Amino acid sequence: GENVEQHPSTLSVQEGDSAVIKCTYSDSASNYFPWYKQELGKGPQLIIDIRSNVGEKKDQRIAVTLNKTAKHFSLHITETQPEDSAVYFCAASRAARQLTFGSGTQLTVLP
Amino acid sequence: NAGVTQTPKFQVLKTGQSMTLQCAQDMNHNSMYWYRQDPGMGLRLIYYSASEGTTDKGEVPNGYNVSRLNKREFSLRLESAAPSQTSVYFCASSEPTYEQYFGPGTRLTVT
Repeated sequence: GENVEQHPSTLSVQEGDSAVIKCTYSDSASNYFPWYKQELGKGPQLIIDIRSNVGEKKDQRIAVTLNKTAKHFSLHITETQPEDSAVYFCAASRAARQLTFGSGTQLTVLP
Repeated sequence: NAGVTQTPKFQVLKTGQSMTLQCAQDMNHNSMYWYRQDPGMGLRLIYYSASEGTTDKGEVPNGYNVSRLNKREFSLRLESAAPSQTSVYFCASSEPTYEQYFGPGTRLTVT
């Protein structure tokens, strides 16, 4: 089955700096890669996703890059703000059905 | 539009007791999922239902049963709870190949 590894497990940045979280996956047939943000006491919420026919996708301050050859994908958050502080999860699947999640990254944005 | 709702929010069980976690969605989605979230391990899929009347095992199905009662509702049952089932349980729903929407979670403690 699919295995997703996520790094780092914790990340602290100064407000206004950029944050990068990286994930690798094992199943070359995976073709859907979402990123979720989870705030304390809440369920995960999708913030951006990318499919295997695209190398990069941006949405305002958030971007995701995908390298299919190396089987890794990354989340980039620019101009970080205190409200970006949360746990972020990457995931991988074939056709968005059975998601396999990474272990999560606790992002803290320091004011 | 409530999205995905889960009951109860919190539950404490003794070893060997049984209970059912309830989940309902009002987005007319065909697919529904049950995950468990443990510290440092991300979310792991327990069972999913691709459409009304069908259910399939995920990564960690042992000790659980599910029922897709109708298109809106998908319940998770613990027949004989064990301390290893102490976790936060999330229900999610989606259309196939699209974003999964998560509920707020049920925090279960088995003593």
